[in-house]
Amino acid sequence: GDSVTQMEGPVTLSEEAFLTINCTYTATGYPSLFWYVQYPGEGLQLLLKATKADDKGSNKGFEATYRKETTSFHLEKGSVQVSDSAVYFCALRAGGTSYGKLTFGQGTILTVHP
Amino acid sequence: DTAVSQTPKYLVTQMGNDKSIKCEQNLGHDTMYWYKQDSKKFLKIMFSYNNKELIINETVPNRFSPKSPDKAHLNLHINSLELGDSAVYFCASSRDGYSYEQYFGPGTRLTVT
Repeated sequence: GDSVTQMEGPVTLSEEAFLTINCTYTATGYPSLFWYVQYPGEGLQLLLKATKADDKGSNKGFEATYRKETTSFHLEKGSVQVSDSAVYFCALRAGGTSYGKLTFGQGTILTVHP
Repeated sequence: DTAVSQTPKYLVTQMGNDKSIKCEQNLGHDTMYWYKQDSKKFLKIMFSYNNKELIINETVPNRFSPKSPDKAHLNLHINSLELGDSAVYFCASSRDGYSYEQYFGPGTRLTVT
């Protein structure tokens, strides 16, 4: 079945450090890929998406590129801020008949210190 | 205005009880979902409804019964609560099942003692 694997957390960084959170996936067909973010005490919000190979999703300084050859969708940000502290989820929606179903990774907790 | 709202925000109850969680969305979306997030933050879909019709049922115990009185509401009723049901339950909605973005509610933290 479909699955998403994220790097183990938690990740702790100083402000302005470079961030990478690794994400790899297994899916049949051509999935769409997403990063969702969950701030403390809130529900998830879509951060960025990519719907086909080599697409780059970007938002709020975060970027991720859909790499079909390595089945990866790593999240990066050049300079993190304290306000980026949150849980980050990589997710996929398989193509075809998987109507509405998102498969999530296990989440990566990011803490950014001043 | 809150797009996806859930009530209650916190729910503490004893094993064996029956409880309900309510969800409403004011986005005009056709599709709604219930997700369960365990203590390790792992998030898994439970149910999906499209315009009041059940679309996804992810091998959830039949003690869990979703009810959609109209397309703006999707409630979750849980019978005979067990300790393992303790989790955060999120409701979400999307324009339809092919939409890229799902909008999540703030979650309901259920604690079974």
